[in-house]
Amino acid sequence: GAVVSQHPSWVICKSGTSVKIECRSLDFQATTMFWYRQFPKQSLMLMATSNEGSKATYEQGVEKDKFLINHASLTLSTLTVTSAHPEDSSFYICSARDREGVWEKLFFGSGTQLSVL
Amino acid sequence: GENVEQHPSTLSVQEGDSAVIKCTYSDSASNYFPWYKQELGKRPQLIIDIRSNVGEKKDQRIAVTLNKTAKHFSLHITETQPEDSAVYFCAASIRTGNQFYFGTGTSLTVIP
Repeated sequence: GAVVSQHPSWVICKSGTSVKIECRSLDFQATTMFWYRQFPKQSLMLMATSNEGSKATYEQGVEKDKFLINHASLTLSTLTVTSAHPEDSSFYICSARDREGVWEKLFFGSGTQLSVL
Repeated sequence: GENVEQHPSTLSVQEGDSAVIKCTYSDSASNYFPWYKQELGKRPQLIIDIRSNVGEKKDQRIAVTLNKTAKHFSLHITETQPEDSAVYFCAASIRTGNQFYFGTGTSLTVIP
């Protein structure tokens, strides 16, 4: 299947700092990428849909100014957690759609474990 | 919008037994149903998927069935092995749509 690369895999930061997470589609172009947040033993919670060349679409309850998304190219989307606080500590995962014939399949990045001290 | 429900939330089986996970969906327009396996701290991996034009698909020990009339689909794992232990997510999507809707996950434990 298609490969989605996500970096960093683990980041520890101090409260108040910003953290950028990158999501890249390595062998395909992704006009749309998705960002999820996942708490331990819980499901994937969609945060936002990232669209290349346009503004991201955020899910209800997700703060746009806190979770900045930039999808500047067909292979890269970034999520920046601004002024991070301990409650932002979580596992963040991106995904991208790759077309197989007329169908689109969803592939995930390896995730980023964010710990805010 | 679409609503995907998944049951059970936890499942324990003896090694060698079968495991079945069920999902229901609400939007009759959904026509693509993937299943993902997620091991602790790792990315969800696509293990099998089914499209609405077929009722069943099998890949070695894994099979998925789809009942479009009842709007439910199931994952079947036969001859379970300890390495099958993971969290499994179902999802529903519309081919031309923008969204994938996920179930809440099933934590499967295979007891050696």
